[in-house]
Amino acid sequence: QTVVTQEPSLTVSPGGTVTLTCASSTGAVTSGYYPNWFQQKLGQAPRALIYGTSKKHSWTPARFSGSLLGGKAALTLSGVQPEDEAEYYCLVYDGSAWVFGGGTKVTVL
Amino acid sequence: QVQLVQSGAEVKKPGASMKVSCHVSGYTFTNYFIQWVRQAPGQGLEWMGWMNPDSGDTHSVQKFQGRVTMTRDTSSSTAYMELTGLKSDDTAVYYCARGNCNGDCFDFWGQGALVTVSS
Repeated sequence: QTVVTQEPSLTVSPGGTVTLTCASSTGAVTSGYYPNWFQQKLGQAPRALIYGTSKKHSWTPARFSGSLLGGKAALTLSGVQPEDEAEYYCLVYDGSAWVFGGGTKVTVL
Repeated sequence: QVQLVQSGAEVKKPGASMKVSCHVSGYTFTNYFIQWVRQAPGQGLEWMGWMNPDSGDTHSVQKFQGRVTMTRDTSSSTAYMELTGLKSDDTAVYYCARGNCNGDCFDFWGQGALVTVSS
C-alpha cells in the first residue's frame, strides 16, 4: 500500500513564504497522481485548495500555489497570513486508490 | 450554493453497525461522485471509497471491503455509508465530499459526522 509522507510541522513568520511537500513511497509524484491539497482548521471539515497539481478552486486565495518539486508535490504559501495557521493535507491517486498524506501542521509565528 | 449536510453524532457499541447520511443540495446529485473520508481523533484523513450516485457503482479501500456499504436515494439526493462490525478504532469523524474535476478533486465537503464506538 502506498504511503504518502509530508513534513509533520513547519513554522513561518507572517508575510513569509513556506513550501510543504508530499512524497510517495512508490516513487516520484507526477501529474498523473493528480495531487490535491486541503486545509483543515481545528474542528472544521477540510477545505479544498489545489487539484491537478496546480489548479486552484474559485475560492483559493492567490497566495496558495501548487507545483511539482524534486519528485514531490508541493504547496507554497506566499505572503503568509495569520489565518493560514492550520493543518494541510495532500492527496494523491496511486492508480487504484486515493491516499492522503499524514498532514503538515503550519504555525504562523 | 452547493451543500452537503450529514447526519448527527452517534454512539455505537462494539460489533454494532453505523449508517451515516449525506444530503446534497445546490447541484444535480447524480452528476457527481460521492467520496467518503474518515478522521480518527487527533489523526489524519483516510480515504474510504467512492460511489457513483447515477449508477450506484461503488469502490472501497481493501481494508473496508466486506464491512462497508455505500448506497443512495436519488429521490432525496442523499448518500449513505454503512459500516458494520464496529471496533473501537472505527471511532472517527466520517466525511462525505463531492467528487469533481473529472474525478480529480474533492471540492465540497460535508460537516462531518462523529461516530464513537464504545462499550
